[in-house]
Amino acid sequence: QLQLQESGPGLVKPSETLSLTCTVSGGSISSSSYYWGWIRQPPGKGLEWIGSIYYSGSTYYNPSLKSRVTISVDTSKNQFSLKLSSVTAADTAVYYCCAGAAAEYWGQGTLVTVSS
Amino acid sequence: QSVLTQPPSVSAAPGQKVTISCSGSSSNIGNNYVSWYQQLPGTAPKLLIYDNNKRPSGIPDRFSGSKSGTSATLGITGLQTGDEADYYCGTWDSSLSALFVFGTGTKVTVL
Repeated sequence: QLQLQESGPGLVKPSETLSLTCTVSGGSISSSSYYWGWIRQPPGKGLEWIGSIYYSGSTYYNPSLKSRVTISVDTSKNQFSLKLSSVTAADTAVYYCCAGAAAEYWGQGTLVTVSS
Repeated sequence: QSVLTQPPSVSAAPGQKVTISCSGSSSNIGNNYVSWYQQLPGTAPKLLIYDNNKRPSGIPDRFSGSKSGTSATLGITGLQTGDEADYYCGTWDSSLSALFVFGTGTKVTVL
């Protein structure tokens, strides 16, 4: 059973870069079976897909965030990462990592607050 | 702003049935598989339905999904207090570039 765990700072200053890592256990991040992605949820609001990366390295980003987002994979650590640059208060949200074409597997989520 | 529209809330008594609609377009629901997610209070979403009508292992058959044209529906029968949660539909959209879109979300209340 695939398990995912997000990690990273819970507080980021405006204009800085948000960086999160998702550690995968119970399976290989090099597997062709999964897309690896990030989804966020602002407090009290709905879900927003940020982007996904396939085992081949192909990336797919939400057009509304594309200019600020980078998703990458570290196969040596069985992890994938999210970087979101030039953050503002509007980027405050619970960030989830997920796996699968239909997001079959989810991490527990981590709250990131953007504030000075 | 989501491109998939769901009713904000639905409610029913225990044991009854509820249905949740998800309305989209030909660039998303009309040409792609639909998934449904359940988000219990304070927890991460969980996949309930994938490929329009398939249930992952462990999901009871009280939950069902269907799709017709550019709309999809989630049905919950034998409603239980533990089903009180937010429900989201989701699918890929290929209008401009490939992206995954979620519905606006529906709060299910068990009366």
